[in-house]
Amino acid sequence: QKEVEQNSGPLSVPEGAIASLNCTYSDRGSQSFFWYRQYSGKSPELIMFIYSNGDKEDGRFTAQLNKASQYVSLLIRDSQPSDSATYLCAVGSYNTDKLIFGTGTRLQVFP
Amino acid sequence: DTGVSQNPRHKITKRGQNVTFRCDPISEHNRLYWYRQTLGQGPEFLTYFQNEAQLEKSRLLSDRFSAERPKGSFSTLEIQRTEQGDSAMYLCASSSPLAGGTGELFFGEGSRLTVL
Repeated sequence: QKEVEQNSGPLSVPEGAIASLNCTYSDRGSQSFFWYRQYSGKSPELIMFIYSNGDKEDGRFTAQLNKASQYVSLLIRDSQPSDSATYLCAVGSYNTDKLIFGTGTRLQVFP
Repeated sequence: DTGVSQNPRHKITKRGQNVTFRCDPISEHNRLYWYRQTLGQGPEFLTYFQNEAQLEKSRLLSDRFSAERPKGSFSTLEIQRTEQGDSAMYLCASSSPLAGGTGELFFGEGSRLTVL
């Protein structure tokens, strides 16, 4: 079982729709959760982080965390073609000082 | 520019040659990480430093790979006797966690290695 799992996609949504990206993790000691966006050929760019159960909103982005289910998600409202990228889920814990990344989900937003 | 800086951005080398990458982290960040990313995969942890101390190395890191961070500032990643399987994007990231855990990692633009 991989430590951080994501569906590789592609996830295709029409412009203006809500894109829902999901991530599960195996380490119950995980404490910090991050979403990165990566355009083709570029490096990962931090979008959001979440540490507590529940929802955290930042503009069009909402991160959701459920530690009991070991599940974290990212919602993108009013999706734009410029949101087309790979979204990486990363997980950290106090047992380790590194982030473990999933393989990423490729999102395609079509006009 | 106060972001993470990496160079060279691209390196093409022949199998068996040595290559070295440099990373300059965000100046106030005390942690520096090296990751490797291949096509279709997420970044894979290689090693990290807190100040000048190398605190963890991935078990996947062969002895051909060595990293240093003299004086706790910039870092270098050297790959000796390169192999075609070393072809990847080498990403450097820095962070400054306030308390415990990792904190947010801020990535440089990466150094893409192609081994012929």
